[in-house]
Amino acid sequence: KNQVEQSPQSLIILEGKNCTLQCNYTVSPFSNLRWYKQDTGRGPVSLTIMTFSENTKSNGRYTATLDADTKQSSLHITASQLSDSASYICVVSAKSGGYNKLIFGAGTRLAVHP
Amino acid sequence: DAMVIQNPRYQVTQFGKPVTLSCSQTLNHNVMYWYQQKSSQAPKLLFHYYDKDFNNEADTPDNFQSRRPNTSFCFLDIRSPGLGDAAMYLCATSNGKDRQYFGAGTRLSVL
Repeated sequence: KNQVEQSPQSLIILEGKNCTLQCNYTVSPFSNLRWYKQDTGRGPVSLTIMTFSENTKSNGRYTATLDADTKQSSLHITASQLSDSASYICVVSAKSGGYNKLIFGAGTRLAVHP
Repeated sequence: DAMVIQNPRYQVTQFGKPVTLSCSQTLNHNVMYWYQQKSSQAPKLLFHYYDKDFNNEADTPDNFQSRRPNTSFCFLDIRSPGLGDAAMYLCATSNGKDRQYFGAGTRLSVL
């Protein structure tokens, strides 16, 4: 069964600190892996997307890693800001016919406190 | 500029009263999706259109229907909303190969 599991479920950090969010998946056939940021009451916004051959991808203070052998990914946030408070969702894409089907993790809810 | 637009942003309906949510896109993508997201849960795919072909997820209730009159527009119809249907409804589009672009969502309340 295609599944995406994220940890921790929730996280509280102080402004300026770094944090790392984890994502484990069992999805086949694998197409790509994305990290989305979702602010409360808004739609998800893509942060990074990685294919099978990519190990690391950065987007400003966000750095995602992918280990396709162990089927694990992480999202590292550097020098956190109050605006980073949101849910971070790991989404793995599986090829299904002519389109990609997305399998969503439950998300990690991050709260950055001053 | 918004590329996937959902209207309205907030919708209140009464128990059992039909409601329609709207999604439009300026990306000319051939695939459009509807997701249901309940509080603190991951989005759940309800169905998608690949061009004009409608694809229903196996566990999507019959109460949920969809229409896609043209490439740009897609509608979600809830025929008889129940209290359990209160959720955020997300529309997304893709060209079938790349990332999905999400709208801001419509938050549905059922009284």
